[in-house]
Amino acid sequence: ELKVEQNPLFLSMQEGKNYTIYCNYSTTSDRLYWYRQDPGKSLESLFVLLSNGAVKQEGRLMASLDTKARLSTLHITAAVHDLSATYFCAVTLYLTGTASKLTFGTGTRLQVTL
Amino acid sequence: DAGVIQSPRHEVTEMGQEVTLRCKPISGHDYLFWYRQTMMRGLELLIYFNNNVPIDDSGMPEDRFSAKMPNASFSTLKIQPSEPRDSAVYFCASITGGLGYGYTFGSGTRLTVV
Repeated sequence: ELKVEQNPLFLSMQEGKNYTIYCNYSTTSDRLYWYRQDPGKSLESLFVLLSNGAVKQEGRLMASLDTKARLSTLHITAAVHDLSATYFCAVTLYLTGTASKLTFGTGTRLQVTL
Repeated sequence: DAGVIQSPRHEVTEMGQEVTLRCKPISGHDYLFWYRQTMMRGLELLIYFNNNVPIDDSGMPEDRFSAKMPNASFSTLKIQPSEPRDSAVYFCASITGGLGYGYTFGSGTRLTVV
């Protein structure tokens, strides 16, 4: 059974600081996703990482994937209050031409304070 | 495209009543997923379909839950009879299998069973 672990579960950080959220998963997969969820809202796709060594950046967020270590990171640079949300990583087992279920991590609740 | 459309957005019902949640996937997507989100269990897959056929229903909690997909543009998740522990947010998501990435989530249905 595929298991996905995130840490930390809760992160309180000051504006302007940097931090990293970690996502470990238990079996071989080369497809990893990061989602953002605001309170009472749906899941918004942030990044899709499709291969080992993939790195993607959008604004103050940068995600990377190391399939050998079964690890993805979401790095936050110079945090701002608008980044306050819950962040989920999710992994799927992919076979060409098919899709499978996403298995989600526990989520990291990020709170950026002034 | 209007995205994945779920209805209703909120549902409050009494214990023992039947509840039906609805989902319209993105046109052309051949996979549809039902997820449930609770504080205790996080995001968990209930069931998913490929070309209207259920592929994995191992996450369906018990016989009180049933899901159907009569055609490519419509799916229902039914709970009968409902119980207070079914209170959660239920999300529907869809994807094109050939692409293998790009899961799109609906806005969710917040179910409260009193």
